[in-house]
Amino acid sequence: EVQLLESGGGLEQPGGSLRLSCAASGFTFSKYGMSWVRQAPGKGLEWVSGIGGGGDNTYYADSVKGRFTISRDNSKNTLYLQMNSLRAEDTAVYYCARGVVTADCWGQGTLVTVSS
Amino acid sequence: DVVMTQSPLSLPVTLGQPASISCRSSQSLVYSDGNTYLTWFQQRPGQSPRRLIYKVSNRDSGVPDRFSGSGSGTDFTLKISRVEAEDIGVYYCMQGTHWPPATFGQGTKLEIK
Repeated sequence: EVQLLESGGGLEQPGGSLRLSCAASGFTFSKYGMSWVRQAPGKGLEWVSGIGGGGDNTYYADSVKGRFTISRDNSKNTLYLQMNSLRAEDTAVYYCARGVVTADCWGQGTLVTVSS
Repeated sequence: DVVMTQSPLSLPVTLGQPASISCRSSQSLVYSDGNTYLTWFQQRPGQSPRRLIYKVSNRDSGVPDRFSGSGSGTDFTLKISRVEAEDIGVYYCMQGTHWPPATFGQGTKLEIK
């Protein structure tokens, strides 16, 4: 069974940093691209970032480009999202999903709140 | 970026009756490989999104056959032949043809009358 488990969310001040993790199991992690999608409270879905299976190719939404960095450790079956220079508008539940844009499986999400 | 526009945004339906959601893209979603990367997701209250349909009309494993997807080019539709109580939630379309970024529609909230 495919499982994706996000962690690392929490309360952070504007300008601060957080690193999210997504632990994958139930499939050959290195063979799949992965992505992060977020959902602000009461709002719709926003694709944030994607990464190829080997980790060499990375992609970002303009809203996070230059502030967020996606990466992966295939030896640990884990996806990461390093979030720097956080803003209030980054407040959201962050989901990891299998596939760069296919999103066939999703985790349960982790809440990031940016507030002073 | 490709803009995805869903309608209606709210859809009250009687149990057992059909439902239909429209999704339109600001440009054609036909990719150079001939495929059309239009996906439908369901998000039940308090849950993560779940993929229902990929490449316009392909149902994911475990998705009831009362759900169907159709369309081409810039116009797409998700249909539920007979709405059941477990179908309540928000439905999103998403395009994965012109990325980055992949872009979602605003969401359509399906509720029971």
